[in-house]
Amino acid sequence: QKEVEQNSGPLSVPEGAIASLNCTYSDRVSQSFFWYRQYSGKSPELIMSIYSNGDKEDGRFTAQLNKASQYVSLLIRDSQPSDSATYLCAVNVGNQFYFGTGTSLTVIP
Amino acid sequence: IAGITQAPTSQILAAGRRMTLRCTQDMRHNAMYWYRQDLGLGLRLIHYSNTAGTTGKGEVPDGYSVSRANTDDFPLTLASAVPSQTSVYFCASSALGGDYGYTFGSGTRLTVV
Repeated sequence: QKEVEQNSGPLSVPEGAIASLNCTYSDRVSQSFFWYRQYSGKSPELIMSIYSNGDKEDGRFTAQLNKASQYVSLLIRDSQPSDSATYLCAVNVGNQFYFGTGTSLTVIP
Repeated sequence: IAGITQAPTSQILAAGRRMTLRCTQDMRHNAMYWYRQDLGLGLRLIHYSNTAGTTGKGEVPDGYSVSRANTDDFPLTLASAVPSQTSVYFCASSALGGDYGYTFGSGTRLTVV
């Protein structure tokens, strides 16, 4: 069983809509959680981190964490074509990161 | 500009040849990592170093070696390249503990023929 699971997509949303990306993890001792954005041919870029249950908002991005259910999600409001990328979920377990395989998002103008 | 520098950007390498991928960071991060990224498999950890002078094996270490002589540099060596090592290689670093996430270099695209 993989440590971190993501739906590979592709996920398509119209411009201006809310994109919802989900991630589940298997290790209950995970302490910190991250979302990375990766444009095609580029390196992953950290966009959100979350450490406690609940929501964390940063501009158009909201990360949601539910440790009891072992999932973390990323909401992108007012999606823009420039948000089209692959989004990687990462979980920090004992000083080691585990990455999901990513969800491909396409925002249609 | 603080960050991680990787070199070369891309390389075509004959099978059996030796190759070193370079990685340098200027953020004074304790920990550094090498990942390979393959379509459908995501990021897989090759080797890591929690501090200068120490290294450890990740998920896919076979055929690769690393060294960490100082805080800033973390080269990855392929002793005798094979076609299955064709991949995109990313170097990353973090403050020890990783609680603030990883910073990635721009990557090296390696093709072994």
